[in-house]
Amino acid sequence: AQSVAQPEDQVNVAEGNPLTVKCTYSVSGNPYLFWYVQYPNRGLQFLLKYITGDNLVKGSYGFEAEFNKSQTSFHLKKPSALVSDSALYFCAVRDGGSGAGSYQLTFGKGTKLSVIP
Amino acid sequence: DSGVTQTPKHLITATGQRVTLRCSPRSGDLSVYWYQQSLDQGLQFLIQYYNGEERAKGNILERFSAQQFPDLHSELNLSSLELGDSALYFCASSVAGPYGYTFGSGTRLTVV
Repeated sequence: AQSVAQPEDQVNVAEGNPLTVKCTYSVSGNPYLFWYVQYPNRGLQFLLKYITGDNLVKGSYGFEAEFNKSQTSFHLKKPSALVSDSALYFCAVRDGGSGAGSYQLTFGKGTKLSVIP
Repeated sequence: DSGVTQTPKHLITATGQRVTLRCSPRSGDLSVYWYQQSLDQGLQFLIQYYNGEERAKGNILERFSAQQFPDLHSELNLSSLELGDSALYFCASSVAGPYGYTFGSGTRLTVV
């Protein structure tokens, strides 16, 4: 069974500082990894994904994530945090199977990011 | 607008009642997923449909049921509602292949 761990319930960072939101995963086979963001009273929005290729993936709003196969991690990063980045962030994983309709994403519990002005 | 439409946006109902939540997936997406999000339980997978057929079940209560219709829209039926069923209910859709989900904006259910 696949699983995702987000070890921090909350991350606080000062505006302008770099931020990291941590994620580790467990999956059989090659992983497909995703980050989503949720603003208050909104649905989850896709940020970025890793399927294959470069270990550093760039996504929306200046976010990027680093895939590390040996550490089974997929940490979300941003060089300079904005107050508007404050939200709930979810990491998700699925296995590499591509059978139509046969996969589900497994989500972490979420990390609340607070960027302090 | 994500392309996934959920109605209604808000729903207030009494304990013991039954409600139906509706989801229209993004055009071309055959899979529909339902999730429940509450403060203490996080994002819980309920059920998945693919092209009209149930494909996977998660932590869905027996009082809850769902279906996907020929036009691919889906409905989640919640019956004998309890206070603890108050939550945000999300629908998501996807296509086959190495893609993620597209989420709707959710239905906020309040049971009083």
